Amino acid sequence: EVQLQESGPGLVKPSQSLSLTCSVTGYSITSSYKWNWIRKFPGNKLEWMGYINSAGSSNYTPSLKSRISITRDTSKNQFFLQVNSVTTEDTATYYCARGGSPFDYWGQGVMVTVSS
Amino acid sequence: NIVLTQSPATLSVTPGESVSLSCRASQSISTSIHWYQKKSNESPRLLIKYASQSISGIPSRFSGSGSGTDFTLSINRVESEDFSIYYCQQSYSSLYTFGAGTKLELK
Repeated sequence: EVQLQESGPGLVKPSQSLSLTCSVTGYSITSSYKWNWIRKFPGNKLEWMGYINSAGSSNYTPSLKSRISITRDTSKNQFFLQVNSVTTEDTATYYCARGGSPFDYWGQGVMVTVSS
Repeated sequence: NIVLTQSPATLSVTPGESVSLSCRASQSISTSIHWYQKKSNESPRLLIKYASQSISGIPSRFSGSGSGTDFTLSINRVESEDFSIYYCQQSYSSLYTFGAGTKLELK
């Protein structure tokens, strides 16, 4: 069974970088599919942030393109999110997910708070 | 970006009622719309893909319809476990977007 698991710090200071890891089991991230980061803000809003595909190419939502990077370690079957220069507006629960057409497997999410 | 507008924002119903949730796209997206259910402290769960295609393990009371710009998620006879937030998501563009969600609450 495909499983995704996010990990990373739950608290980040403003202006610093947020770094998260998604560990995937049950499927190789180099086989197929896009591997995504999605966040849910306090309240209801869901935002797709970007993906890295099985070939290693990335694509980002335009509003975040200047601040984020999605990379991977194929030897560990993991992919990563880095968000630079965070503000309190980046406080959210961050999910990794497979696919996009649609998102068929999701991690359980990790809550990240940006606060001094 | 393709903007998805969901309505209503909140829908108050009693168990046993049947409901329809709307999702409208800012441009024609064929049937590239997917629906998710989001409960507190859980990950989103895929309910319907490509507007009307069912997903294994999802109760048959959930169905979807529509094409072009107007889409509907229908729940036939709402059960207590259905009270949650529902999102639509488009994959017509590889810059994926979600709607703002419809909260289904107990009247």
